[in-house]
Amino acid sequence: GESVGLHLPTLSVQEGDNSIINCAYSNSASDYFIWYKQESGKGPQFIIDIRSNMDKRQGQRVTVLLNKTVKHLSLQIAATQPGDSAVYFCAENTAAGNKLTFGGGTRVLVKP
Amino acid sequence: DTGVSQNPRHKITKRGQNVTFRCDPISEHNRLYWYRQTLGQGPEFLTYFQNEAQLEKSRLLSDRFSAERPKGSFSTLEIQRTEQGDSAMYLCASNLGQGATEAFFGQGTRLTVV
Repeated sequence: GESVGLHLPTLSVQEGDNSIINCAYSNSASDYFIWYKQESGKGPQFIIDIRSNMDKRQGQRVTVLLNKTVKHLSLQIAATQPGDSAVYFCAENTAAGNKLTFGGGTRVLVKP
Repeated sequence: DTGVSQNPRHKITKRGQNVTFRCDPISEHNRLYWYRQTLGQGPEFLTYFQNEAQLEKSRLLSDRFSAERPKGSFSTLEIQRTEQGDSAMYLCASNLGQGATEAFFGQGTRLTVV
């Protein structure tokens, strides 16, 4: 079936370095993509989103890139901080917005 | 706190018992979603409501599971005759409805079936 998945289950990064988290999706009908951050014992927290008519969107220290040709999106975190340590999920939705479909998550560990 | 609220945060129950969880969405949100999340996995969609109407149910939602949103505000998720495989985090989310593609999540209810 249609799915959203991640290439790297765990990413260790030095504090201050940039992080890149990748995600592949297979549902060509998806036109809205979201990155969520989930800390231990908490619910997913919205980070940034992007619509399918865009290829790049920037937020505060985060950038999401979308490549529809290869059905790939990535989350870049600039100057990674200890507070960025968490599991990151990509999720997809359609314009109707009926439900989010999540991938399996990437754990980011920030080393001091 | 004006976010999505879930109760209880943790529930330990014996196999075969029934459990009920509650979700209070953000007040102006029309849509309410239930997800289940197991360790190391992304949340899996269970069901969603538009106001009081339950519009979609996942195949994951067996007949032991029932969800309600009687007045279009808070929702309950009941699991009857719990099994060890039901152990998971149950997440509730809400948004403004059609066209609102983002969802705001609660802290979840961690269920452990022993």
